[in-house]
Amino acid sequence: DADVTQTPRNRITKTGKRIMLECSQTKGHDRMYWYRQDPGLGLRLIYYSFDVKDINKGEISDGYSVSRQAQAKFSLSLESAIPNQTALYFCATSDPSGGALNEQFFGPGTRLTVL
Amino acid sequence: AQKITQTQPGMFVQEKEAVTLDCTYDTSDPSYGLFWYKQPSSGEMIFLIYQGSYDQQNATEGRYSLNFQKARKSANLVISASQLGDSAMYFCAMREGRPGGSEKLVFGKGTKLTVNP
Repeated sequence: DADVTQTPRNRITKTGKRIMLECSQTKGHDRMYWYRQDPGLGLRLIYYSFDVKDINKGEISDGYSVSRQAQAKFSLSLESAIPNQTALYFCATSDPSGGALNEQFFGPGTRLTVL
Repeated sequence: AQKITQTQPGMFVQEKEAVTLDCTYDTSDPSYGLFWYKQPSSGEMIFLIYQGSYDQQNATEGRYSLNFQKARKSANLVISASQLGDSAMYFCAMREGRPGGSEKLVFGKGTKLTVNP
């Protein structure tokens, strides 16, 4: 089973709709992240959380909100979706005790289309 | 200013040849880490290799090596003996600060590598 899962994997929605993307992990990591990927722009950080009580804005948080329901779950919400939020969304986790490498482990991504 | 610059939007290489993907970075923090990720057409992000700013030797992982030139602030990925399965997007990323600190990654825009048979 995958260590970091994202649901849904694909979603098509309409402008103005509220949508939630969910991320779950079984790695036991405290730190979780949400990124979006746009063609030609790489990945950009939306929000990150270092534990259940710690939520931080990333580079492009406007129009998004998050909820860390538990150590294993981190959800991203678009309160009122707009077409330029059409993108591939990734959740990632990391373990600060992971040594110098401390890589981030990515989920499979959610492809969101806003019409 | 961009913190990670990948100047090659696309690269082509013949199967079995070596290829270098360029990455330059910008930071004033003496402690940082550099990562390369591979993204095949299926979309997942696959970690390839890591170089810490204090590492004395260039990182290697199988056919992947990182040509780390600290003074030039470059961290180029070298793939030896290219295979058709290496065709993918490749992203360079940087973590500023010591491990266990902020942990935020900043990504470059990526290079699309195509391996020709």
